[in-house]
Amino acid sequence: SYELTQPPSVSVSPGQTARITCSGDALPKQYAYWYQQKPGQAPVLVIYKDSERPSGIPERFSGSSSGTTVTLTISGVQAEDEADYYCQSADSSGTYQAVFGGGTKLTVL
Amino acid sequence: EVQLVESGGGLVQPGGSLRLSCAASGFTVSSNYMSWVRQAPGKGLEWVSVIYSGGSTYYADSVKGRFTISRHNSKNTLYLQMNSLRAEDTAVYYCARAPRYCGGDCWDYWGQGTLVTVSS
Repeated sequence: SYELTQPPSVSVSPGQTARITCSGDALPKQYAYWYQQKPGQAPVLVIYKDSERPSGIPERFSGSSSGTTVTLTISGVQAEDEADYYCQSADSSGTYQAVFGGGTKLTVL
Repeated sequence: EVQLVESGGGLVQPGGSLRLSCAASGFTVSSNYMSWVRQAPGKGLEWVSVIYSGGSTYYADSVKGRFTISRHNSKNTLYLQMNSLRAEDTAVYYCARAPRYCGGDCWDYWGQGTLVTVSS
């Protein structure tokens, strides 16, 4: 199995840009996905296939990929964006395995 | 409207068994990849198992040989049979649907989760 590594926490002021990174050796070969999870709620998919945004997700959420690192960027952060964010990847080339990063707590100051 | 509703969680002793259910509406379970994902209290997300539309099943190493994923097509319901439960299986268990635009590798709809507590 492989690992995805995220920073435990990121803090930004409202209106600023938050960047959350996720590193993993398999990321150059596999897509990354990002989820937002607020306390007591199920996760919500905010980015798929590194940089695509599902319908209904605000445009301030974007994703990018470079080598072994993918980045979730939230532009013009709002108070409602305070949540845990998880990156995730999957290897379905043989037997299926999916992996999550440890999660990053985004605090809006 | 797509909905997933889990049930079957509860308190069980170590070594015991439990079966979780996930009733789906608004789409057909058997036509989609479906997964179980769990989250221990205060911890991160952990993928548990997947069942492909064709019926193939896969498991995380942590549950392999103990858990079994299945579905009942006419009831449009997903299941997770959990045997030989351990304290470290304590978690909220979510069922989730994998959309085709992810090639089965991500999840767009999640249930509200059901809590499984393994303790004596």
